[in-house]
Amino acid sequence: EVQLLESGGGLVQPGGSLRLSCVVSGFTFSNYAMSWARQVPGKGLEWVSGISDSAIHTYNADSVQGRFTISRDNSKNTLYLQMSSLRVEDTATYYCAVHSGRDYYNYPMDGWGQGTTVTVSS
Amino acid sequence: DIQMTQSPSSLSASVGDRVTITCRASRDINDWLAWYQQRPGKSPKLLIYGASILQSGVPSRFSGGGSRTDFTLTINSLQPEDVATYYCQKYDGAPLTFGGGTKVEIK
Repeated sequence: EVQLLESGGGLVQPGGSLRLSCVVSGFTFSNYAMSWARQVPGKGLEWVSGISDSAIHTYNADSVQGRFTISRDNSKNTLYLQMSSLRVEDTATYYCAVHSGRDYYNYPMDGWGQGTTVTVSS
Repeated sequence: DIQMTQSPSSLSASVGDRVTITCRASRDINDWLAWYQQRPGKSPKLLIYGASILQSGVPSRFSGGGSRTDFTLTINSLQPEDVATYYCQKYDGAPLTFGGGTKVEIK
């Protein structure tokens, strides 16, 4: 059974930093691309960042470019999202998701975690 | 960047009704289109990919259609468990943009 478990969310002040983790099981992590998506309470989904299976390709949405960094440790079956210079508008539930192939494009997101909540507030 | 526009933003229908949601891309995305279901308080779930391919385990009352810029998600015979928000997403290339969502309720 595919499982994705996010952690690392919490309350942080504007300008602060936070690192999210997503530990996966039930599939060969190193063979699949991964992404982070987020959802402001009561609003729609926003794709934030993607990383290919070998981490050669990464992409960040314009809204987080230069502030967020996606990475992965295939030896630990873990995906990360390093978030810095956090803003109030980054407040959201953050989901990690696995794609059905090696790249984050051309493959849909066919497995999702339960999400971790990030609140940016003074 | 390509924009994804869904309509309607919400709908209410009776159990057993046929429901259709549309998604329009601002440029041609061929058939690189997925549909997700998000039940209240839950994580999103992949329903359809490749515009019309049903994900394993998804009930056959769900179907997808369209190509290039215009796509549809149809629920034949709406069931109470289908109450959810449905999102389309393009995945032909980054950014992988979602539509704004369509909230489906039971009348």
